[in-house]
Amino acid sequence: DQQVKQNSPSLSVQEGRISILNCDYTNSMFDYFLWYKKYPAEGPTFLISISSIKDKNEDGRFTVFLNKSAKHLSLHIVPSQPGDSAVYFCAASAFTGANSKLTFGKGITLSVRP
Amino acid sequence: DTAVSQTPKYLVTQMGNDKSIKCEQNLGHDTMYWYKQDSKKFLKIMFSYNNKELIINETVPNRFSPKSPDKAHLNLHINSLELGDSAVYFCASSQGGLTLGANVLTFGAGSRLTVL
Repeated sequence: DQQVKQNSPSLSVQEGRISILNCDYTNSMFDYFLWYKKYPAEGPTFLISISSIKDKNEDGRFTVFLNKSAKHLSLHIVPSQPGDSAVYFCAASAFTGANSKLTFGKGITLSVRP
Repeated sequence: DTAVSQTPKYLVTQMGNDKSIKCEQNLGHDTMYWYKQDSKKFLKIMFSYNNKELIINETVPNRFSPKSPDKAHLNLHINSLELGDSAVYFCASSQGGLTLGANVLTFGAGSRLTVL
């Protein structure tokens, strides 16, 4: 069963415009959410996170929004740059500490056109 | 300089063979993980170790045996390889503890295993 869903497999955006990547989850126990970025032949790298006590977290060009009632989060990238082209994974966890485990979505491939 | 390094990067082998993937982290993290990315692209946790102690063991065939000789190393040994074991295996580490930062994993570059 997919507890973290990224239903759109790909997104193409013009350079300079906004990229919006969506993620839905089903487990109401999830309390921490993360986005990872992955380039080909590399491991995922941490991008930004948000705790369930917040509804927005911003870091430079990247903002994550959390809507707990809808069990939905989104990653906004403004402005999008060609170097942002990668696979973006949404992840969630229900515990902190040694028993934490991240549940990942399938990923969204973002292409930013020059 | 690499924070989480795993070897080999590519591994091609025949069904029935036994193989190992090694992982080392130099971040001083207490917790290490093995994740598997299958053909459907999902990243699924297999195991986690905290300070050499097995913490998480998902539903993984017992042909897979992790070993952590110290908290900086977590190796994965696979016996009697099957076609369905073909995947990319990622090692990761985190600082552990009771902070939210414990959830921030640093991944290795992955080891692509192909079973023929």
